[in-house]
Amino acid sequence: GENVEQHPSTLSVQEGDSAVIKCTYSDSASNYFPWYKQELGKRPQLIIDIRSNVGEKKDQRIAVTLNKTAKHFSLHITETQPEDSAVYFCAEGNFNKFYFGSGTKLNVKP
Amino acid sequence: EAQVTQNPRYLITVTGKKLTVTCSQNMNHEYMSWYRQDPGLGLRQIYYSMNVEVTDKGDVPEGYKVSRKEKRNFPLILESPSPNQTSLYFCASSSQGLNTEAFFGQGTRLTVV
Repeated sequence: GENVEQHPSTLSVQEGDSAVIKCTYSDSASNYFPWYKQELGKRPQLIIDIRSNVGEKKDQRIAVTLNKTAKHFSLHITETQPEDSAVYFCAEGNFNKFYFGSGTKLNVKP
Repeated sequence: EAQVTQNPRYLITVTGKKLTVTCSQNMNHEYMSWYRQDPGLGLRQIYYSMNVEVTDKGDVPEGYKVSRKEKRNFPLILESPSPNQTSLYFCASSSQGLNTEAFFGQGTRLTVV
């Protein structure tokens, strides 16, 4: 949506490479920044999230970084595998407002 | 099993014919939301509900209604569907506000001709 911009819209990487997706937002009141993965024909599912009092969070091959001053946050996937191929959505908001990015289609080539 | 259930999964209807998409969750979540997903636009919030009898507009509420008479159910109503409401719709629930993990339903593919 307008409140959060996500780039790139498509990303193609070779298996084993890293992938980075970036989002910028405008509302300084936002305090929650999740990332959702949507496989083809499936529902979005949360893969990692970060709150505004934390700068970085890691879960195995996935990490998220947040720069509150610059109002941007990023998803990092290392050692990509074909099963990482999906559409990834960033999102941001607070208790009663929430916005999703437009999505990034990640293709991991074997 | 904790889940959010939407029905129907697929629906083709004609312009102007009222329809309802049901959504039910068994996790006792207070927050429920409806989103529509369109290519290149991501997920846009239609309406959300903070609790029984409490609903509020999201980004794209025009042409939609919702109700929250019970905690577990949050139906989406299209009183007079139009072709621009052809989309993929998702219901979601979260436990304590929109800033907690959202659990999504399976989606409803709606086509209005």
